[in-house]
Amino acid sequence: SQTIHQWPATLVQPVGSPLSLECTVEGTSNPNLYWYRQAAGRGLQLLFYSVGIGQISSEVPQNLSASRPQDRQFILSSKKLLLSDSGFYLCAWSGRGRPNQPQHFGDGTRLSIL
Amino acid sequence: AQKVTQAQTEISVVEKEDVTLDCVYETRDTTYYLFWYKQPPSGELVFLIRRNSFDEQNEISGRYSWNFQKSTSSFNFTITASQVVDSAVYFCALRGMDSSYKLIFGSGTRLLVRP
Repeated sequence: SQTIHQWPATLVQPVGSPLSLECTVEGTSNPNLYWYRQAAGRGLQLLFYSVGIGQISSEVPQNLSASRPQDRQFILSSKKLLLSDSGFYLCAWSGRGRPNQPQHFGDGTRLSIL
Repeated sequence: AQKVTQAQTEISVVEKEDVTLDCVYETRDTTYYLFWYKQPPSGELVFLIRRNSFDEQNEISGRYSWNFQKSTSSFNFTITASQVVDSAVYFCALRGMDSSYKLIFGSGTRLLVRP
């Protein structure tokens, strides 16, 4: 069966520090991958998605970047965190070429910026 | 443009009451998919159901039921005999046919079931 792993679960970082959140998927190949952010008490905002290795689409201009160095690995990064980067970050995958299938989400990372 | 509206920001009910969560969507695609997700306090998003645009048959799963009506562009979710464990934020989402298969999420409805 397919599984998705995100880490770390919780992260506290000072303003101006770098960030690297990692997401990996197991049990499937060629997935579409997504990064979302959820501010406290708010809805989900799609940040990036990827339909293949090295292919990244950005939905919202911001302080973050994403990379997909391997088929089942998706990384969210920042060189210098801002206070506004605080939130709950969720990674998700879906089967490529299968629009009828749901996105499956990881457990998320709670990021607090001090 | 695609859009999902969940007009109910927060609903509070007493245990065993029935509750309906509303979802209205907009799309120009003739083929599309609708989803409901549950986000419990722990934060993860749990997939509940998927509905295809060409299948208007309603569905029941235990205490959960979904009413899909293309004529009103709605995909409502009803919980019968609610329980405290149903307390969560519920998201409705829409997916069109572009290659990214992005989900367009509504803003969510927070359901609080009081004992």
